[in-house]
Amino acid sequence: KAGVTQTPRYLIKTRGQQVTLSCSPISGHRSVSWYQQTPGQGLQFLFEYFSETQRNKGNFPGRFSGRQFSNSRSEMNVSTLELGDSALYLCASSSTGFVTEAFFGQGTRLTVV
Amino acid sequence: TQLLEQSPQFLSIQEGENLTVYCNSSSVFSSLQWYRQEPGEGPVLLVTVVTGGEVKKLKRLTFQFGDARKDSSLHITAAQPGDTGLYLCAGPQGGSEKLVFGKGTKLTVNP
Repeated sequence: KAGVTQTPRYLIKTRGQQVTLSCSPISGHRSVSWYQQTPGQGLQFLFEYFSETQRNKGNFPGRFSGRQFSNSRSEMNVSTLELGDSALYLCASSSTGFVTEAFFGQGTRLTVV
Repeated sequence: TQLLEQSPQFLSIQEGENLTVYCNSSSVFSSLQWYRQEPGEGPVLLVTVVTGGEVKKLKRLTFQFGDARKDSSLHITAAQPGDTGLYLCAGPQGGSEKLVFGKGTKLTVNP
């Protein structure tokens, strides 16, 4: 069973640009969540999608957005990049159920210069 | 917002030593998960504990969920260099799919 796949693995962007990251969840998983990980703040929840609908949203500015497609693949977009957006962006998929267990991809390392 | 506090933040030990790391909250969690993350990679799920007082063993790792479901611990026996990594605890917030993470314990096991 294939795991969670995130592309690209590494990105370097310039301030003011925008970026789109992609995530393919584990087959059969309908929930996809995105997290930002930085050394100072740890893992912070961005948003969660289920069946193409955003169900939960973290405390990030509107420059961060996402969507989910009918095949459960998800993308997140960051517009007007700032230096502080440099981070490891992690996607996690889970099946809905009583216990929430997240299976993470390897992440996309975004560097904003 | 439910918060998870992990301690210690950093731990450096010699191969063969035992260690315990802690995950505490003032809130009740329906379940807690432990993950291990290596540099540049995503966290890997180690275990989920659901029942208060539950103890789960995974080879040399022993996980415990507090009776009140507000805290958890991870004990490693005879640590090995391969145990090196960032250990994270996490729990679902408000019954949603949103996971709240502790900031982690960075473990280094020296040969």
